[in-house]
Amino acid sequence: GESVGLHLPTLSVQEGDNSIINCAYSNSASDYFIWYKQESGKGPQFIIDIRSNMDKRQGQRVTVLLNKTVKHLSLQIAATQPGDSAVYFCAERSNTGNQFYFGTGTSLTVIP
Amino acid sequence: DTAVSQTPKYLVTQMGNDKSIKCEQNLGHDTMYWYKQDSKKFLKIMFSYNNKELIINETVPNRFSPKSPDKAHLNLHINSLELGDSAVYFCASSQHQRLFFGSGTQLSVL
Repeated sequence: GESVGLHLPTLSVQEGDNSIINCAYSNSASDYFIWYKQESGKGPQFIIDIRSNMDKRQGQRVTVLLNKTVKHLSLQIAATQPGDSAVYFCAERSNTGNQFYFGTGTSLTVIP
Repeated sequence: DTAVSQTPKYLVTQMGNDKSIKCEQNLGHDTMYWYKQDSKKFLKIMFSYNNKELIINETVPNRFSPKSPDKAHLNLHINSLELGDSAVYFCASSQHQRLFFGSGTQLSVL
């Protein structure tokens, strides 16, 4: 889809609080999902991934939840820190090939 | 060692010019991509190459021509640049799993 008319969603959280970032994906045939973090002036960096046969996966301070019924992903960040301030993207991979499509992104600001 | 490196990091040019962006990956991946990120941070796939062969061409004007001399390199050549081409262009690579991104090329067309 195109970005015309879309605005980057924003989320502000207090340092130490938990953050939840949501993403709706489009293709029910997607078999693999990834969350990326993009800091200013840098390329997106991998945070955590999940396959479509799972509904939850935990990493260090991060948890990804997958709800295939409503095509929804969420990223939970525990004890959010100032270094977590960035734009976060979800990406889905089509099961027909090695193609990754990105969601709109959410800008997270952590207030010290 | 940088896994995915692209050059230049900044590119400022006049409308109508032709320019190229280069990308190299040292991860041994078979698949490379070009993504365009607009001012609203929306990341859109442009091209995907697998082992030097074009897999995806997502409604990109034919002024954009990717070239893959070998599977470690995927360059992007843009002819007759337009104002709307101003964006950040990211190269990426993958091997069936996560994407690894370069640091981006910020293209400004004046």
